[in-house]
Amino acid sequence: QVQLVESGGGVVQPGRSLRLSCVVSGLTFSGYGMDWVRQVPGKGLEWVAVIYYDGSKQYYADSVKGRFTISRDDSRNTLYLQMNSLRVEDTAIYYCASHHGSHPAGYFDYWGQGTLVTVSS
Amino acid sequence: QSVLTQPPSVSGAPGQRVSISCTGSSSNIGAGYDVHWYQHLPGTAPKVLMYRNSNRPSGVPDRFSGSKSGTSASLVITGLQAEDEADYYCQSYDSSLSLYVFGPGTKVTVL
Repeated sequence: QVQLVESGGGVVQPGRSLRLSCVVSGLTFSGYGMDWVRQVPGKGLEWVAVIYYDGSKQYYADSVKGRFTISRDDSRNTLYLQMNSLRVEDTAIYYCASHHGSHPAGYFDYWGQGTLVTVSS
Repeated sequence: QSVLTQPPSVSGAPGQRVSISCTGSSSNIGAGYDVHWYQHLPGTAPKVLMYRNSNRPSGVPDRFSGSKSGTSASLVITGLQAEDEADYYCQSYDSSLSLYVFGPGTKVTVL
């Protein structure tokens, strides 16, 4: 079955960096666009970024543009989110999800269980 | 403040019918972008419940149905069951904001 497993979350001080990973199994990773979606605990879902199936394009929410970078390594079936200049408001559970359909259409058909990022001094 | 609006909560007794609305605007749902629905139990992975307005993925019971009209969409649960108690989010794309947007979520409670 399809599995997405995120890792790399933790507690980090404001202004510091963190890199999240998402290992995908059970689907042809190189054929899928991939997304990061986050959720502040107790709040709703917020889309963060998407990367095309071939890595050729990436799009970001304004709230993270210029600070976060989404990338992928198809040889490792792994999606990444490099988060720089972290802010307290970036505190959230970060989910990776596979993207069904092409940008800007499409939906998130498989999700991981999430990894918690806490930005605090 | 979410671009898509949903009621914060709906509730019903087992076997009843409940409906969750998702209202957008001319830059998202009204622009023709599809609406998708997700079921989320806190602490677990969200799950797509309905895609492209009214399509159920395999494994989703047929008591769930979806529709879209104009700038709104709705998810209906017919024959509510205890395991349907969860948070439900609608999602679309907004061309003015150039991003995927979610509704604020609706908590379904089975009385």
